[in-house]
Amino acid sequence: EPEVTQTPSHQVTQMGQEVILRCVPISNHLYFYWYRQILGQKVEFLVSFYNNEISEKSEIFDDQFSVERPDGSNFTLKIRSTKLEDSAMYFCASSARLGAAGEQYFGPGTRLTVT
Amino acid sequence: QKEVEQNSGPLSVPEGAIASLNCTYSDRGSQSFFWYRQYSGKSPELIMFIYSNGDKEDGRFTAQLNKASQYVSLLIRDSQPSDSATYLCAVENSGNQFYFGTGTSLTVIP
Repeated sequence: EPEVTQTPSHQVTQMGQEVILRCVPISNHLYFYWYRQILGQKVEFLVSFYNNEISEKSEIFDDQFSVERPDGSNFTLKIRSTKLEDSAMYFCASSARLGAAGEQYFGPGTRLTVT
Repeated sequence: QKEVEQNSGPLSVPEGAIASLNCTYSDRGSQSFFWYRQYSGKSPELIMFIYSNGDKEDGRFTAQLNKASQYVSLLIRDSQPSDSATYLCAVENSGNQFYFGTGTSLTVIP
């Protein structure tokens, strides 16, 4: 069964450093998403991406965040200058369709720890 | 005002009983509604989606949507210990943004 994969599973970085989180969505999916979940808190939408551009983004997704689909398979989230409060689990998701029938499949997540 | 609200629980039901999970949302223009299950330390797993008023059944799960009341629920029939998890309600609002509730922790007691 196809699945979303994410690497690395755990990333430790120092405050102020740049990190890139990587995702490989399901191959025939067209819509891609990033979410984060701070430990013990709810899943928060960051951004959606379609046709090589951002479709929607939340208030959390400020100038320090960027997304890219550098090739036909990878989807990345870059955090330019990490802060302690960026420590969280970051989930990538993909779906074949948008909206009501847009079932999103989540990857296993990358745990980001900023020290 | 929170976009999506759920009782955090914990909700405990005996094995074989019906578990009822509830969710309300604030954006009346919301289009799509999802229920995810999340085991501790794992990623959310989609259980059901619904976008029309009424009930939608899939096996032991039934999602119910009432747009007038801005209310979504999930019923789990014949609850099993393996159903013990946190259940997340998610809503796609009129701006195509996705909001999750904080989740309801369910424990099914053998």
